[in-house]
Amino acid sequence: GAGVSQSPSNKVTEKGKDVELRCDPISGHTALYWYRQSLGQGLEFLIYFQGNSAPDKSGLPSDRFSAERTGGSVSTLTIQRTQQEDSAVYLCASSLAGHNNSPLHFGNGTRLTVT
Amino acid sequence: TQLLEQSPQFLSIQEGENLTVYCNSSSVFSSLQWYRQEPGEGPVLLVTVVTGGEVKKLKRLTFQFGDARKDSSLHITAAQPGDTGLYLCAVLKNSGNTPLVFGKGTRLSVIA
Repeated sequence: GAGVSQSPSNKVTEKGKDVELRCDPISGHTALYWYRQSLGQGLEFLIYFQGNSAPDKSGLPSDRFSAERTGGSVSTLTIQRTQQEDSAVYLCASSLAGHNNSPLHFGNGTRLTVT
Repeated sequence: TQLLEQSPQFLSIQEGENLTVYCNSSSVFSSLQWYRQEPGEGPVLLVTVVTGGEVKKLKRLTFQFGDARKDSSLHITAAQPGDTGLYLCAVLKNSGNTPLVFGKGTRLSVIA
């Protein structure tokens, strides 16, 4: 399809393990975002990529979180040494031109459960 | 402190009823977006409002941006079970190159 694709859709991991979450944005979209959605907490911004510019990492909650975007397309969010409080739905979104009024197109998310 | 306060947090109504949900802030914004999120899916953009006092209609949904551009409301007429979902408002925190900030949302359940 032509939408944002995220994988896996569900991930259960043990505390202390590392996880990688993948996002395939819509082709041609230069901006890519990662958000985290915890129960009752709304969407929390994590990181933003725009073209070849340095990413905006201001939302990453700790140094255990990192993300990269290879070739301006696919992005991977990595969480090292997972903790139970990392359990949430991780949502990826892309947009045609970044901020301003460009609408965000979200994937269906990866539900991460840390046991 | 939340930049955007959405109310009510939860709302359960019967099919056919009308309802209004709110998105409030003490800050002024250049624009505001409304998204709807259904279970197991990502949010989907419904509308963007940019002008103070602006009213936009999307079928049975009416969106209004406050005159001072600090708040917005979403009114649904004759709610249907298909309207069930999480309604989120979102704004740019600052003008220029900053990401969208979302409210916590209103979870709506329309019972047939």
